[in-house]
Amino acid sequence: DGGITQSPKYLFRKEGQNVTLSCEQNLNHDAMYWYRQDPGQGLRLIYYSQIVNDFQKGDIAEGYSVSREKKESFPLTVTSAQKNPTAFYLCASSIDQGGQGRNQPQHFGDGTRLSIL
Amino acid sequence: QKEVEQDPGPLSVPEGAIVSLNCTYSNSAFQYFMWYRQYSRKGPELLMYTYSSGNKEDGRFTAQVDKSSKYISLFIRDSQPSDSATYLCAMSAGTGRRALTFGSGTRLQVQP
Repeated sequence: DGGITQSPKYLFRKEGQNVTLSCEQNLNHDAMYWYRQDPGQGLRLIYYSQIVNDFQKGDIAEGYSVSREKKESFPLTVTSAQKNPTAFYLCASSIDQGGQGRNQPQHFGDGTRLSIL
Repeated sequence: QKEVEQDPGPLSVPEGAIVSLNCTYSNSAFQYFMWYRQYSRKGPELLMYTYSSGNKEDGRFTAQVDKSSKYISLFIRDSQPSDSATYLCAMSAGTGRRALTFGSGTRLQVQP
């Protein structure tokens, strides 16, 4: 079954600690995204990557870092510089047809809920 | 002002009712429009995907896009208790950044 797997489902962070959220997809999608969702709010873009070894900041990248060493994997690190990390984190992926191709819909994993201890 | 506006609800309807969910947007560059359904503690699930203006139907769901008014709608016919969820509209421009801009979501409750 193809899909996007996020782990862990729940994560707790201590003061001053960095934590890493995992996102793996077996859909052979080129593009991957990280969003943050706060209660009563829509999803806000943290980082995105359209190709391996390349990624771009989204609207709220401060306090976060990513890597894209493999097509299937796009881990997100929440650093100690992120002062308000409590949120629901969602990873998504999509086919990328390049500059002239149509934007393809994004498919989401089931999220990681991060809380502060 | 947000780029995408969506009434947060909650919207409560009896089973079998027709539900209308709406979003307005300000960016005229948006060309791709999506509706997602999100159950509590789960990721969003793609319901409808449309390009440019017009209607699209899939089973009990109909999506409408009116680019001249910058207004999109999702209609759910014969609503069921299992339709109770948060519905998110999302959109993107045709070029440049391909990430989605989301509305804040409308919470729908279908009463049996």
